[in-house]
Amino acid sequence: QLVLTQSPSASASLGGSVKLTCTLSSGHSSYAIAWHQQQPEKGPRYLMKVNSDGSHSKGDGIPDRFSVSSSGAERYLTISSLQSEDEADYYCQTWATGIQVFGGGTKLTVL
Amino acid sequence: QVQLVESGGGVVQPGRSLRLSCAASGFTSSNYGMHWVRQAPGKGLEWVAGISYDGRNKYYADSVKGRFTISRDNSKNTLYLQVNSLRTEDTAVYYCAKDRAAAYMDVWGQGTTVTVSS
Repeated sequence: QLVLTQSPSASASLGGSVKLTCTLSSGHSSYAIAWHQQQPEKGPRYLMKVNSDGSHSKGDGIPDRFSVSSSGAERYLTISSLQSEDEADYYCQTWATGIQVFGGGTKLTVL
Repeated sequence: QVQLVESGGGVVQPGRSLRLSCAASGFTSSNYGMHWVRQAPGKGLEWVAGISYDGRNKYYADSVKGRFTISRDNSKNTLYLQVNSLRTEDTAVYYCAKDRAAAYMDVWGQGTTVTVSS
């Protein structure tokens, strides 16, 4: 079964950096995923897509502070030079024929 | 600019129906698949349904199969979700999203709220 696992919460200091992790279920380590940001009381926003080899594409207007990487079944979103507006929920998403799957989301707190 | 605007939400009693709409602008929507995704209060994102660019292929989450119907009218650049036999657990904000390469979602709307309550 295709499942994405995320830690429920993360925190980092203003101006610092944080690395969020999304883990693919067993047997699905070759899958690409997409990262989405949801700021409080707003709709989601697409950030970036990352493939298993680390190659990626970025959404329109997404700053260079956001980057992605891959290792095995794990997909990472790194945010550097953290700003207050980065405090949000971050969801990873993957897909197969006829199905879309979201991780449970990580709530990022900027201290 | 590329924009998706949902409408049609409201407060309905259990067992009733609603039709949600999503108006697309700023891109040729007939070239892209589309999705509905919902978010229950305080919960994460849940994919509900998807449709191919031409409307021929439709996919549903098990939780809504048989009760929800996704459709589109490319002449009106509009996506629909017919939601029948509503349950309290269908209470959520419903988002439409544009599909990229039959894979991930790269544009989202702001959502429309459906509240199922007696």
